[in-house]
Amino acid sequence: GESVGLHLPTLSVQEGDNSIINCAYSNSASDYFIWYKQESGKGPQFIIDIRSNMDKRQGQRVTVLLNKTVKHLSLQIAATQPGDSAVYFCAEKSKGTYKYIFGTGTRLKVLA
Amino acid sequence: DTGVSQDPRHKITKRGQNVTFRCDPISEHNRLYWYRQTLGQGPEFLTYFQNEAQLEKSRLLSDRFSAERPKGSFSTLEIQRTEQGDSAMYLCASSPKTSTGELFFGEGSRLTVL
Repeated sequence: GESVGLHLPTLSVQEGDNSIINCAYSNSASDYFIWYKQESGKGPQFIIDIRSNMDKRQGQRVTVLLNKTVKHLSLQIAATQPGDSAVYFCAEKSKGTYKYIFGTGTRLKVLA
Repeated sequence: DTGVSQDPRHKITKRGQNVTFRCDPISEHNRLYWYRQTLGQGPEFLTYFQNEAQLEKSRLLSDRFSAERPKGSFSTLEIQRTEQGDSAMYLCASSPKTSTGELFFGEGSRLTVL
């Protein structure tokens, strides 16, 4: 299948360990953030989102942390599984617009 | 299948030819987006529709690119006089008006310009 992101930063994690993927943003007017997962040959798939008035949000096995002071977003995946292997993108939206700006992505490799 | 549908999935064309991609959003989603993605990069915003109105358009979208959503349902993205630099994955996404923001993406249309 098609390979997405041949030269992306790569995070290698042992199966069962926790993964932390980081994202920096520059726009202080961003009011909404999303994490997407993209498998090879597929479109991005929504994982979790967070609004700028929050600093933490939890989903099933995933947690997103937002630090507006340093404009940093992170995605934590608990008990990483082989099926989590993919490229992960953060995306941001500014208040007053519906345009979503994506980061460059991180490839997550889960080692058996 | 009730997801976002894109056609064709793959298109190979010669430089200078025109190509058109079609996107069928999820039914009743009034927002529709086009993004472009090249290897090693995140999706780049191209344009956004709310119903039939094109509300935002990236400066990346040269005058060779045009997008339409004439009846507020499906959309087309046309690239005229294609260049090798146009080779990319063209992604369509939709979201409902009441959505908190999640975009639902299609599988993309891969364009290769020879």
